[in-house]
Amino acid sequence: AQKVTQAQTEISVVEKEDVTLDCVYETRDTTYYLFWYKQPPSGELVFLIRRNSFDEQNEISGRYSWNFQKSTSSFNFTITASQVVDSAVYFCALSEAAGYSTLTFGKGTMLLVSP
Amino acid sequence: EPEVTQTPSHQVTQMGQEVILRCVPISNHLYFYWYRQILGQKVEFLVSFYNNEISEKSEIFDDQFSVERPDGSNFTLKIRSTKLEDSAMYFCASRGDSREKLFFGSGTQLSVL
Repeated sequence: AQKVTQAQTEISVVEKEDVTLDCVYETRDTTYYLFWYKQPPSGELVFLIRRNSFDEQNEISGRYSWNFQKSTSSFNFTITASQVVDSAVYFCALSEAAGYSTLTFGKGTMLLVSP
Repeated sequence: EPEVTQTPSHQVTQMGQEVILRCVPISNHLYFYWYRQILGQKVEFLVSFYNNEISEKSEIFDDQFSVERPDGSNFTLKIRSTKLEDSAMYFCASRGDSREKLFFGSGTQLSVL
């Protein structure tokens, strides 16, 4: 069975601080996808990134970066120089590679960035 | 960027009533999904739909739930007799093929009184 654990329920930082959101996953599949979604206070789910299990290269997109470590089954997300607009709930998710695959979400981490 | 559209954004209903949540997936997509999120909890998978039939469903998706693609554009979730515990945000999602990311709609907040 698949499982995604986001141990941090809530993180509070001050603007311009760097913050890392942890994600640990469990799966028996050798091929899978990992995702991060952002849920701002307005409620929608905003796609941030998808990573294939065969691609362990870290990725950077502006102030966002992701560290995929297959050896520790982790897919951590770092926001550099956080801003108030980054305040949201962030979900890590996992899916199998098959065509009908579904997403298994973690419980989410609420990030509060204060001015 | 193309969008998945959900209507209504908020729905209030009385316990025991039937509700239909509507979604318009992205036009050339083939795989359709419903997820829900009870307030303050994680997003949970309900059902996936492909080639005009359910391909997978969770334990949550019992006989009170049904999905339909009545025409070439809409994808609906029906709850036959709503319960208080059905109150949640319901997200529709779609994707074109297994290698594409999942596009989520903005959700319908269902409140059962």
